[in-house]
Amino acid sequence: DTGVSQNPRHKITKRGQNVTFRCDPISEHNRLYWYRQTLGQGPEFLTYFQNEAQLEKSRLLSDRFSAERPKGSFSTLEIQRTEQGDSAMYLCASSFTADNSPLHFGNGTRLTVT
Amino acid sequence: KQEVTQIPAALSVPEGENLVLNCSFTDSAIYNLQWFRQDPGKGLTSLLLIQSSQREQTSGRLNASLDKSSGRSTLYIAASQPGDSATYLCAVRGGTGGFKTIFGAGTRLFVKA
Repeated sequence: DTGVSQNPRHKITKRGQNVTFRCDPISEHNRLYWYRQTLGQGPEFLTYFQNEAQLEKSRLLSDRFSAERPKGSFSTLEIQRTEQGDSAMYLCASSFTADNSPLHFGNGTRLTVT
Repeated sequence: KQEVTQIPAALSVPEGENLVLNCSFTDSAIYNLQWFRQDPGKGLTSLLLIQSSQREQTSGRLNASLDKSSGRSTLYIAASQPGDSATYLCAVRGGTGGFKTIFGAGTRLFVKA
């Protein structure tokens, strides 16, 4: 168990550029979650997958955001035409399918949009 | 809609003190409640998980309790140390939140040496 891995750790981009983040969950976990966290706040749910199926998306996820988990393993989160308000920590978590399973988080990707 | 509230927002205590962090949630039909620790600029580390059928969990100097009917949980830290300084987050899964986990805003703890 190597834990949840996220890359890159930090990303600085100019407004209007596209960015993509990657998450590698714990290999046995079927569920994968994306969260966003701004300073002084708790993580806010964005979306989650069960295997390759995206089962729920938050209303926070505008049309500029898209997430994929093509083979039910790693996932990518893409933000198109970034805005300064997208600056945040993007966190990935994974868990087993059972509803009472705990979440395991990665170290996050810190995005700064200038 | 499930909402999670943590009190206090920040806490500063001298080393060695016992302390209690509070968490409340609006929908009691949860699957579980999880306490996390977050160091500045880092991800979340799971501390304790309490299933809906359980009343408490203990790990070392940490004890978490759950009262589903009243929508409350507490995290008790015994004999606090400067290394305990971090943000502590409470999160619930289930109820009107469905399968996703809903977080509180956290309690920022500072333990003075």
